[in-house]
Amino acid sequence: DTAVSQTPKYLVTQMGNDKSIKCEQNLGHDTMYWYKQDSKKFLKIMFSYNNKELIINETVPNRFSPKSPDKAHLNLHINSLELGDSAVYFCASSPANGASGEQFFGPGTRLTVL
Amino acid sequence: AQKVTQAQTEISVVEKEDVTLDCVYETRDTTYYLFWYKQPPSGELVFLIRRNSFDEQNEISGRYSWNFQKSTSSFNFTITASQVVDSAVYFCALSDYKLSFGAGTTVTVRA
Repeated sequence: DTAVSQTPKYLVTQMGNDKSIKCEQNLGHDTMYWYKQDSKKFLKIMFSYNNKELIINETVPNRFSPKSPDKAHLNLHINSLELGDSAVYFCASSPANGASGEQFFGPGTRLTVL
Repeated sequence: AQKVTQAQTEISVVEKEDVTLDCVYETRDTTYYLFWYKQPPSGELVFLIRRNSFDEQNEISGRYSWNFQKSTSSFNFTITASQVVDSAVYFCALSDYKLSFGAGTTVTVRA
Protein backbone atom coordinates (compact mmCIF):
# COMPACT_ATOMS: atom_id res chain seq x y z
CA ASP A 1 0.00 0.00 0.00
CA THR A 2 1.37 3.37 -1.01
CA ALA A 3 1.44 5.77 1.95
CA VAL A 4 1.81 9.06 0.08
CA SER A 5 1.10 9.03 -3.63
CA GLN A 6 1.47 11.73 -6.24
CA THR A 7 0.23 11.99 -9.79
CA PRO A 8 1.62 12.41 -12.31
CA LYS A 9 5.19 11.22 -11.79
CA TYR A 10 6.41 13.19 -14.78
CA LEU A 11 4.91 16.32 -16.29
CA VAL A 12 6.26 18.04 -19.39
CA THR A 13 4.49 21.17 -20.54
CA GLN A 14 4.91 24.45 -22.35
CA MET A 15 5.49 27.84 -20.77
CA GLY A 16 2.27 29.65 -20.02
CA ASN A 17 0.20 26.53 -19.45
CA ASP A 18 -1.71 25.71 -16.24
CA LYS A 19 -1.13 22.35 -14.61
CA SER A 20 -2.05 20.46 -11.43
CA ILE A 21 -0.28 17.86 -9.33
CA LYS A 22 -2.33 15.65 -7.06
CA CYS A 23 -1.32 14.18 -3.72
CA GLU A 24 -3.07 11.67 -1.53
CA GLN A 25 -2.06 10.06 1.76
CA ASN A 26 -3.68 7.02 3.34
CA LEU A 27 -1.89 7.32 6.68
CA GLY A 28 -4.64 9.22 8.47
CA HIS A 29 -2.30 12.17 9.01
CA ASP A 30 -3.60 15.64 9.77
CA THR A 31 -0.83 17.66 8.14
CA MET A 32 0.32 17.74 4.53
CA TYR A 33 3.05 19.67 2.76
CA TRP A 34 4.41 20.65 -0.63
CA TYR A 35 8.15 20.98 -1.19
CA LYS A 36 10.12 22.05 -4.23
CA GLN A 37 13.51 20.51 -5.06
CA ASP A 38 15.49 22.50 -7.59
CA SER A 39 18.16 21.32 -10.00
CA LYS A 40 20.82 21.69 -7.30
CA LYS A 41 18.85 19.32 -5.06
CA PHE A 42 17.92 22.07 -2.63
CA LEU A 43 14.65 21.25 -0.86
CA LYS A 44 12.38 24.02 0.30
CA ILE A 45 8.93 23.99 1.84
CA MET A 46 6.22 25.75 -0.09
CA PHE A 47 2.97 25.11 1.77
CA SER A 48 1.60 23.23 4.73
CA TYR A 49 -2.01 22.36 5.52
CA ASN A 50 -3.38 21.05 8.79
CA ASN A 51 -6.84 19.55 8.60
CA LYS A 52 -7.58 21.41 5.38
CA GLU A 53 -6.38 24.75 6.73
CA LEU A 54 -3.36 26.57 5.36
CA ILE A 55 -0.75 27.00 8.11
CA ILE A 56 2.49 27.63 6.22
CA ASN A 57 2.76 29.69 3.09
CA GLU A 58 6.36 30.44 2.25
CA THR A 59 7.39 33.08 -0.23
CA VAL A 60 5.85 31.43 -3.24
CA PRO A 61 4.47 33.25 -6.30
CA ASN A 62 0.70 33.43 -6.22
CA ARG A 63 0.66 31.45 -9.47
CA PHE A 64 0.94 28.47 -7.11
CA SER A 65 -2.29 27.62 -5.35
CA PRO A 66 -2.70 24.63 -3.06
CA LYS A 67 -6.11 23.09 -2.55
CA SER A 68 -7.07 20.64 0.16
CA PRO A 69 -10.54 19.13 -0.45
CA ASP A 70 -10.13 16.91 2.60
CA LYS A 71 -7.32 16.07 4.98
CA ALA A 72 -6.16 13.13 2.89
CA HIS A 73 -5.59 15.22 -0.23
CA LEU A 74 -3.46 18.25 -1.03
CA ASN A 75 -3.29 19.29 -4.66
CA LEU A 76 -1.03 21.90 -6.20
CA HIS A 77 -2.21 24.01 -9.09
CA ILE A 78 0.25 26.14 -11.02
CA ASN A 79 -0.88 28.88 -13.39
CA SER A 80 1.10 30.43 -16.22
CA LEU A 81 4.02 28.08 -15.91
CA GLU A 82 7.51 29.54 -16.26
CA LEU A 83 10.86 27.94 -17.08
CA GLY A 84 11.98 28.44 -13.48
CA ASP A 85 9.15 26.26 -12.24
CA SER A 86 10.97 23.21 -13.58
CA ALA A 87 11.79 21.13 -10.51
CA VAL A 88 10.79 18.05 -8.59
CA TYR A 89 7.78 18.66 -6.36
CA PHE A 90 7.35 16.49 -3.29
CA CYS A 91 4.23 16.05 -1.25
CA ALA A 92 4.58 14.92 2.36
CA SER A 93 2.40 14.21 5.36
CA SER A 94 2.94 13.99 9.09
CA PRO A 95 0.76 12.89 11.98
CA ALA A 96 0.76 16.21 13.78
CA ASN A 97 1.18 19.86 13.19
CA GLY A 98 4.42 21.32 14.42
CA ALA A 99 7.95 20.17 14.81
CA SER A 100 7.92 16.67 16.14
CA GLY A 101 6.43 14.56 13.43
CA GLU A 102 8.45 12.57 11.02
CA GLN A 103 7.36 13.51 7.53
CA PHE A 104 6.52 10.84 5.00
CA PHE A 105 7.28 11.88 1.46
CA GLY A 106 5.65 10.96 -1.80
CA PRO A 107 7.74 9.77 -4.75
CA GLY A 108 7.93 13.24 -6.29
CA THR A 109 6.65 14.78 -9.52
CA ARG A 110 9.26 15.93 -12.00
CA LEU A 111 7.93 19.02 -13.77
CA THR A 112 9.68 20.18 -16.91
CA VAL A 113 8.61 23.47 -18.47
CA LEU A 114 9.74 23.99 -22.07
CA ALA B 1 15.56 32.04 11.64
CA GLN B 2 16.70 28.49 11.57
CA LYS B 3 19.46 27.25 9.34
CA VAL B 4 21.12 23.95 8.52
CA THR B 5 24.62 23.76 7.06
CA GLN B 6 26.06 20.70 5.40
CA ALA B 7 29.51 21.91 4.46
CA GLN B 8 30.46 18.83 2.45
CA THR B 9 28.97 18.97 -1.02
CA GLU B 10 30.32 15.64 -2.24
CA ILE B 11 32.17 12.74 -0.66
CA SER B 12 33.62 9.84 -2.62
CA VAL B 13 34.88 6.70 -0.89
CA VAL B 14 35.82 3.16 -1.74
CA GLU B 15 33.60 0.39 -0.48
CA LYS B 16 34.19 -0.60 3.16
CA GLU B 17 35.53 2.80 4.10
CA ASP B 18 33.76 4.75 6.81
CA VAL B 19 32.23 8.08 5.90
CA THR B 20 31.07 10.86 8.21
CA LEU B 21 28.63 13.54 7.12
CA ASP B 22 28.67 16.82 9.01
CA CYS B 23 25.60 18.82 9.93
CA VAL B 24 25.60 22.09 11.85
CA TYR B 25 22.39 23.89 12.69
CA GLU B 26 21.22 27.22 14.05
CA THR B 27 18.02 27.87 15.93
CA ARG B 28 16.82 30.10 18.73
CA ASP B 29 14.33 27.54 19.95
CA THR B 30 14.99 25.32 22.92
CA THR B 31 12.69 22.62 21.61
CA TYR B 32 13.41 21.38 18.13
CA TYR B 33 13.90 18.18 16.18
CA LEU B 34 16.68 17.06 13.90
CA PHE B 35 16.35 14.60 11.06
CA TRP B 36 18.41 12.82 8.47
CA TYR B 37 16.92 11.76 5.15
CA LYS B 38 18.44 9.73 2.33
CA GLN B 39 17.67 10.36 -1.34
CA PRO B 40 18.98 7.48 -3.50
CA PRO B 41 19.39 7.87 -7.28
CA SER B 42 15.78 6.69 -7.73
CA GLY B 43 14.71 10.04 -6.20
CA GLU B 44 12.51 9.19 -3.24
CA LEU B 45 13.18 10.66 0.19
CA VAL B 46 13.77 8.06 2.88
CA PHE B 47 13.56 8.92 6.56
CA LEU B 48 16.56 7.71 8.57
CA ILE B 49 16.36 9.22 12.04
CA ARG B 50 14.68 11.82 14.24
CA ARG B 51 16.24 13.26 17.37
CA ASN B 52 14.70 15.81 19.75
CA SER B 53 16.71 18.57 21.32
CA PHE B 54 16.50 17.07 24.80
CA ASP B 55 17.95 13.73 23.84
CA GLU B 56 21.68 13.86 23.27
CA GLN B 57 22.21 10.14 23.30
CA ASN B 58 24.07 8.85 20.31
CA GLU B 59 22.29 6.25 18.26
CA ILE B 60 23.43 3.29 16.23
CA SER B 61 21.32 1.43 13.72
CA GLY B 62 23.24 -1.26 11.89
CA ARG B 63 26.02 0.44 9.95
CA TYR B 64 24.57 3.90 10.64
CA SER B 65 25.35 5.99 13.68
CA TRP B 66 24.54 9.51 14.71
CA ASN B 67 26.37 11.89 17.03
CA PHE B 68 24.30 14.77 18.45
CA GLN B 69 26.22 17.46 20.28
CA LYS B 70 24.13 20.37 21.48
CA SER B 71 27.21 22.29 22.66
CA THR B 72 28.46 22.56 19.09
CA SER B 73 25.01 22.49 17.43
CA SER B 74 26.00 19.49 15.39
CA PHE B 75 24.24 16.31 14.37
CA ASN B 76 26.74 14.21 12.44
CA PHE B 77 26.06 10.96 10.64
CA THR B 78 28.52 8.11 10.09
CA ILE B 79 28.19 5.20 7.72
CA THR B 80 30.51 2.39 8.76
CA ALA B 81 31.90 -0.05 6.19
CA SER B 82 30.17 1.74 3.33
CA GLN B 83 28.54 -0.19 0.50
CA VAL B 84 27.68 0.78 -3.06
CA VAL B 85 23.99 0.89 -2.07
CA ASP B 86 24.80 3.75 0.31
CA SER B 87 25.42 6.01 -2.69
CA ALA B 88 22.84 8.77 -2.34
CA VAL B 89 22.27 12.36 -1.35
CA TYR B 90 21.91 12.72 2.40
CA PHE B 91 19.98 15.60 3.90
CA CYS B 92 20.09 16.90 7.43
CA ALA B 93 16.98 18.83 8.50
CA LEU B 94 15.84 20.91 11.45
CA SER B 95 12.25 21.35 12.54
CA ASP B 96 10.66 23.81 14.87
CA TYR B 97 7.32 24.50 13.23
CA LYS B 98 8.54 23.65 9.74
CA LEU B 99 11.24 21.45 8.27
CA SER B 100 14.33 23.23 6.95
CA PHE B 101 16.76 21.14 4.97
CA GLY B 102 20.47 21.48 4.50
CA ALA B 103 21.84 21.57 0.98
CA GLY B 104 22.63 17.87 1.04
CA THR B 105 25.83 15.83 0.74
CA THR B 106 26.25 13.53 -2.23
CA VAL B 107 27.95 10.31 -1.21
CA THR B 108 29.43 8.10 -3.88
CA VAL B 109 30.68 4.68 -2.85
CA ARG B 110 32.89 3.03 -5.44
CA ALA B 111 33.28 -0.73 -5.66
